[in-house]
Amino acid sequence: AQKVTQAQTEISVVEKEDVTLDCVYETRDTTYYLFWYKQPPSGELVFLIRRNSFDEQNEISGRYSWNFQKSTSSFNFTITASQVVDSAVYFCALSPLFLTGGGNKLTFGTGTQLKVEL
Amino acid sequence: GAVVSQHPSWVICKSGTSVKIECRSLDFQATTMFWYRQFPKQSLMLMATSNEGSKATYEQGVEKDKFLINHASLTLSTLTVTSAHPEDSSFYICSARLVSGGSYEQYFGPGTRLTVT
Repeated sequence: AQKVTQAQTEISVVEKEDVTLDCVYETRDTTYYLFWYKQPPSGELVFLIRRNSFDEQNEISGRYSWNFQKSTSSFNFTITASQVVDSAVYFCALSPLFLTGGGNKLTFGTGTQLKVEL
Repeated sequence: GAVVSQHPSWVICKSGTSVKIECRSLDFQATTMFWYRQFPKQSLMLMATSNEGSKATYEQGVEKDKFLINHASLTLSTLTVTSAHPEDSSFYICSARLVSGGSYEQYFGPGTRLTVT
């Protein structure tokens, strides 16, 4: 069974602060994808990143960075110099890496509500 | 990029009526689509996997007779909530799987907000 845990239910920061969202996962698969999605109040999911289990290199995209640690089964997400527009719910998710007959279901974490205030 | 649409974006219906939600892959073919439900302040929960030309696979606890799924073409899957009740009020999101070269991507629709009065 797959499981994704986002222990932080809600985080509040002041604009320009850095913030890290934690994600810990469990899977019996040796190969898998990890994702981060942003869900603003409109509800539409915004894809942020997909990493495969072979690639543990950290990734940076603008103010966003991700730290994948296979040894601790974690895939944490850091926003540098947060902005009000970053306020949203952020979901971490997990799915099989290769095509499966079962359809490659995504397992989502419970989400972290990030509030960035002025 | 690949686009998935949903229609309607929001719907209000009376208790006891049925409502149909469409999920379309606009610029690619999807043999597999997924339907998720999200209650307020909760995560996305997979309801069912929709396979073109065959019966949908429902997750444990999801009533297949209440949530009818039809994946009649490679670009369209529909979810019909039959005899809707207020507890069915939720945000329904679909996704479509694009297979390419042995790998795949999943693209999400914008969601449909259902309110049952």
